[in-house]
Amino acid sequence: AQSVTQLGSHVSVSEGALVLLRCNYSSSVPPYLFWYVQYPNQGLQLLLKYTTGATLVKGINGFEAEFKKSETSFHLTKPSAHMSDAAEYFCAVSDDSGYSTLTFGKGTMLLVSP
Amino acid sequence: ETGVTQTPRHLVMGMTNKKSLKCEQHLGHNAMYWYKQSAKKPLELMFVYNFKEQTENNSVPSRFSPECPNSSHLFLHLHTLQPEDSALYLCASSQEVKGAKVSFFGQGTRLTVV
Repeated sequence: AQSVTQLGSHVSVSEGALVLLRCNYSSSVPPYLFWYVQYPNQGLQLLLKYTTGATLVKGINGFEAEFKKSETSFHLTKPSAHMSDAAEYFCAVSDDSGYSTLTFGKGTMLLVSP
Repeated sequence: ETGVTQTPRHLVMGMTNKKSLKCEQHLGHNAMYWYKQSAKKPLELMFVYNFKEQTENNSVPSRFSPECPNSSHLFLHLHTLQPEDSALYLCASSQEVKGAKVSFFGQGTRLTVV
């Protein structure tokens, strides 16, 4: 069985500061890892994904994440926060086993202050 | 615009009503999903359809009844719901991309049961 743990239900940063959202996963097979963002009253939008190959993955809106197998982590970062980054962020895991589905973490709300 | 459209966006229904949620995807995907998103809880996968066949039902109460008439449309029929069923219901679709099934989400239906 797969699982995802997102450390911190809320993260607060100042505009221009580094954003770091933590995600640890558990999977018995090589995982596929995703970060989604959800703005208020909207669905989830894919930020980035890791499948195979390069472990540093770049996504939209200046976000990136690094897959670290030894630490079973896939933390999301952005060098400089913008007010428009305020949203809820979800880490998710799946794998290549047949009809694998996404397992989501509980989400982290990112708050950005001026 | 993600290519996945859900209607209605908002729905208020009494516990004795019968209503249906609709999802349509214009992406040519072969899998569709219903998720429930409640406050302070992780996203809950409810149903999965692959090539119009239901492949997963995560112990969802029978008052929720899915229907997938073709690979582009997915319905969730609701009857005799409870107040705790109030939530955001999200539809998603996916197609294998380099072995990883990237899911695209609709904007959701905000359901309130009174």
